[in-house]
Amino acid sequence: EAGVAQSPRYKIIEKRQSVAFWCNPISGHATLYWYQQILGQGPKLLIQFQNNGVVDDSQLPKDRFSAERLKGVDSTLKIQPAKLEDSAVYLCASSLPGYGWEQYFGPGTRLTVT
Amino acid sequence: KQEVTQIPAALSVPEGENLVLNCSFTDSAIYNLQWFRQDPGKGLTSLLLIQSSQREQTSGRLNASLDKSSGRSTLYIAASQPGDSATYLCAVNNAGNMLTFGGGTRLMVKP
Repeated sequence: EAGVAQSPRYKIIEKRQSVAFWCNPISGHATLYWYQQILGQGPKLLIQFQNNGVVDDSQLPKDRFSAERLKGVDSTLKIQPAKLEDSAVYLCASSLPGYGWEQYFGPGTRLTVT
Repeated sequence: KQEVTQIPAALSVPEGENLVLNCSFTDSAIYNLQWFRQDPGKGLTSLLLIQSSQREQTSGRLNASLDKSSGRSTLYIAASQPGDSATYLCAVNNAGNMLTFGGGTRLMVKP
């Protein structure tokens, strides 16, 4: 069974530029999550989708971050414009719908903003 | 709001030692608790998942316990090896199926 796929793996941009990350969840997983992990810290949830609807985006900085999940499968997370403090690893995870299901994580995208 | 704390933040031990990593959480109304391993520059690998109704889970040299009432979990690693060197993250799953992570314990096992 294929795992969660993410691309790109690495990205370096200058501040004020825009960037987009892509995630393909495990087949059949209706719930998809985006986490931000700043160096030396644990991951923090940015947004959670159930199919193509948003369940929780309370910690998403909506002035610069946006995310979508078209057709309830792949998802894209965008940052526009990027700030230095956005340098982090962006992790995508997926799970079966409902409560208490294990989340499976992709390899992450390491973003460096200079 | 759920808060998760991991102690110690870093740990260095000689090869062969048994060791315990600690995780504490403030809200005991959880669905489950997961322990993850993260190698430098890599994603998260799930090690063990303990459902709220369980007290412990074992996988090879790893044993995780859960005491929901006191808000604590421990990860026990037996006979540590240099290949166990990594950051270990504890995450609690509660309201809305959202994971709240601790800051991690960075483990170094010296040959």
